[in-house]
Amino acid sequence: QKEVEQNSGPLSVPEGAIASLNCTYSDRGSQSFFWYRQYSGKSPELIMSIYSNGDKEDGRFTAQLNKASQYVSLLIRDSQPSDSATYLCAVTAGRRALTFGSGTRLQVQP
Amino acid sequence: DVKVTQSSRYLVKRTGEKVFLECVQDMDHENMFWYRQDPGLGLRLIYFSYDVKMKEKGDIPEGYSVSREKKERFSLILESASTNQTSMYLCASSLFGGAADNEQFFGPGTRLTVL
Repeated sequence: QKEVEQNSGPLSVPEGAIASLNCTYSDRGSQSFFWYRQYSGKSPELIMSIYSNGDKEDGRFTAQLNKASQYVSLLIRDSQPSDSATYLCAVTAGRRALTFGSGTRLQVQP
Repeated sequence: DVKVTQSSRYLVKRTGEKVFLECVQDMDHENMFWYRQDPGLGLRLIYFSYDVKMKEKGDIPEGYSVSREKKERFSLILESASTNQTSMYLCASSLFGGAADNEQFFGPGTRLTVL
């Protein structure tokens, strides 16, 4: 079983819709959770971090964490074609380094 | 803004060559990391360092070594490059402790091809 699981996609949503990206993790001791956006040929860019249960909002992005269910999600409201990218979920799992999921490819259709 | 730079964007080397990939960060971060990224396999940790001259193996350290002589610089060394080390190599850094604990910032990446 992978430590951090994401659906590879592609997830296709129309412009203006809400995109919902999901991630599950196996280590119950995980403390910190991150979402990175990666455009094709580019390096990952940190867009959200969340450390406690509940929701955290930043502009059009909302991260949701449920430690009991070992589940973290990213909602993108009013999706734009420029949001089309691969979204990587990452968690700390007992060490300073992050463990990454394989990513979900998001396609926003104009 | 945190800036992480890598010495080359693209590199082509021959099998058996010794290869050095350099990474520099300008934010006085304690932690530095080397990952490789391959299609379908995601980001995999090769080595990381939490202080000058300190290093720890990641998930796939075989065939690699690292050096951290100064806090801002972390080098990845391929002792004898092989074709299965063709990949995108990503360096990252992070602060340890505080509200931004473990937030990692990536350099632009080096696409290495070993022929």
